[in-house]
Amino acid sequence: DTEVTQTPKHLVMGMTNKKSLKCEQHMGHRAMYWYKQKAKKPPELMFVYSYEKLSINESVPSRFSPECPNSSLLNLHLHALQPEDSALYLCASSQPTGGHFSYEQYFGPGTRLTVT
Amino acid sequence: DQQVKQNSPSLSVQEGRISILNCDYTNSMFDYFLWYKKYPAEGPTFLISISSIKDKNEDGRFTVFLNKSAKHLSLHIVPSQPGDSAVYFCAAIPIQGAQKLVFGQGTRLTINP
Repeated sequence: DTEVTQTPKHLVMGMTNKKSLKCEQHMGHRAMYWYKQKAKKPPELMFVYSYEKLSINESVPSRFSPECPNSSLLNLHLHALQPEDSALYLCASSQPTGGHFSYEQYFGPGTRLTVT
Repeated sequence: DQQVKQNSPSLSVQEGRISILNCDYTNSMFDYFLWYKKYPAEGPTFLISISSIKDKNEDGRFTVFLNKSAKHLSLHIVPSQPGDSAVYFCAAIPIQGAQKLVFGQGTRLTINP
């Protein structure tokens, strides 16, 4: 299994809603990532989990709350989002190799989020 | 400040010819470079990479060249095939930042029959 899956594919939410994005991989990867991609822009790193611990937070607003319940799952909890948070949210994973993680990251198809 | 730049938003190439995608970077602390390919409604797919200690890496139809003095890398695809039509992202990793991919803006490659 060389796949990263993300659910849902599309999500529309109001500014007062609470929702969650889910990411799953069964490749034995121990690093998982959240990226945000706006239209015609490159993906931008949000969070990194290494061995189920948050290792990088790129100064993301607290209305985005990541969670890594186990080595295969990564969630992104959303609350009180703004319309400008509408974007494609990509999940990725990478495997440990030697004393660090592989540079190659495997991406899921993304969740298209629209905040109204 | 865009540290990784792909100055051509789009490129059109005839099937069977060579496609050359370019990428420039400004940060001399980048240690490793990757190319990703993205189809619509899919996540980026890893294509090929190169370490900063090398100047060329080849994998089948894909070759990446790195010119450190010019802070420039390029991806050559030969021969180009219709299935190569996609958006190509250049990405870089800083020294001691193995998990922080910095992407360029992407180049949309169209292969014409």
